[in-house]
Amino acid sequence: GEDVEQSLFLSVREGDSSVINCTYTDSSSTYLYWYKQEPGAGLQLLTYIFSNMDMKQDQRLTVLLNKKDKHLSLRIADTQTGDSAIYFCAESPGANSKLTFGKGITLSVRP
Amino acid sequence: EAQVTQNPRYLITVTGKKLTVTCSQNMNHEYMSWYRQDPGLGLRQIYYSMNVEVTDKGDVPEGYKVSRKEKRNFPLILESPSPNQTSLYFCASSLLRGSGANVLTFGAGSRLTVL
Repeated sequence: GEDVEQSLFLSVREGDSSVINCTYTDSSSTYLYWYKQEPGAGLQLLTYIFSNMDMKQDQRLTVLLNKKDKHLSLRIADTQTGDSAIYFCAESPGANSKLTFGKGITLSVRP
Repeated sequence: EAQVTQNPRYLITVTGKKLTVTCSQNMNHEYMSWYRQDPGLGLRQIYYSMNVEVTDKGDVPEGYKVSRKEKRNFPLILESPSPNQTSLYFCASSLLRGSGANVLTFGAGSRLTVL
């Protein structure tokens, strides 16, 4: 079945860039997503990328997709303390399809 | 405000006492889903619904029931809760499109403890 893998924890200094990585196994993944979960809250969509794209940029966020290696990354530029949260990678094989989530990585931003 | 509303947000109950967690969305979304979040296991899908009166099992449906009698509501029913159902539960919904990403909107979560 589908599997999405992430590291569990990342600590960065405020102002540095954060890079969060994710690997997935389903070669038919069409959409790949990044969700953010702040403490005590539900998940919020940060961004998603269609599999025919290599890169997507949205303000401080840059998503890179290496489809050959089934590797997805999220770069957060100028990381702030408000970026401290759990970040989930997810994939779906097509439109209107079930999302498979990774276990989530906790990003801790230290002053 | 467009949102997914879950109730209760926190609940402590005892083994075997039936409970229902409600979920309601005001965005006219066709797709609704329930997830549970457990430490070290991430998010796992319990049940989902593509539209009214259409429900399907997710990855961990045992011990749960759902119904979708109206488009806006998707309650999660635990007929006889057990301690292994202690978890953080999330409801989510999305607009189904002919093509495009399945962009989920999540509720704030319901923390359930079964003693």
